[in-house]
Amino acid sequence: DTAVSQTPKYLVTQMGNDKSIKCEQNLGHDTMYWYKQDSKKFLKIMFSYNNKELIINETVPNRFSPKSPDKAHLNLHINSLELGDSAVYFCASSQRGTNTEAFFGQGTRLTVV
Amino acid sequence: AQKVTQAQTEISVVEKEDVTLDCVYETRDTTYYLFWYKQPPSGELVFLIRRNSFDEQNEISGRYSWNFQKSTSSFNFTITASQVVDSAVYFCALKPYILTGGGNKLTFGTGTQLKVEL
Repeated sequence: DTAVSQTPKYLVTQMGNDKSIKCEQNLGHDTMYWYKQDSKKFLKIMFSYNNKELIINETVPNRFSPKSPDKAHLNLHINSLELGDSAVYFCASSQRGTNTEAFFGQGTRLTVV
Repeated sequence: AQKVTQAQTEISVVEKEDVTLDCVYETRDTTYYLFWYKQPPSGELVFLIRRNSFDEQNEISGRYSWNFQKSTSSFNFTITASQVVDSAVYFCALKPYILTGGGNKLTFGTGTQLKVEL
């Protein structure tokens, strides 16, 4: 029944590793997002995909690469992890062309040690 | 550029008190949407309300009410008779009406941590 689901919920990894976070939505939405929440709780958009097409790419290091195999999935791959990448990453979805709110996943707490 | 300001970093109240969370926004768009989200200690983001810029009617939902004033660019949130379960971080957010390019993104305020104590 979960509308937007992310895995894993917690991720602890060493500097320099590569990791992925997966996201799936079953709401039939055509737009998906990745937001980053830093240690001060500030939420900022990273990427947005509409029907598998990248439409928002904020100033994010190119170590971060989103991939959308279909409009129900948006994964986030991070190469060469750094300490500063530690944060909570939220996936979200909405329907473009409407004024609907974005529905968020549970978040993935990434800790880089 | 869009900006959302939540000047109150943290508010502490005693249960049953009323509390208002302030939100002031900046945008050059004439049509836009405003939102409030709740983030309880468990960490998820819970949608509370959406308001269109062309609809200035205030809204009440149970103990929650929202006061939208376009003239002052504010969208304040009041919890009446607060309860311990209201303890959370509350975010105000703004989205432009324009749907092309980056039009779908939410710009969040920095959040207000509300602590409701017995």
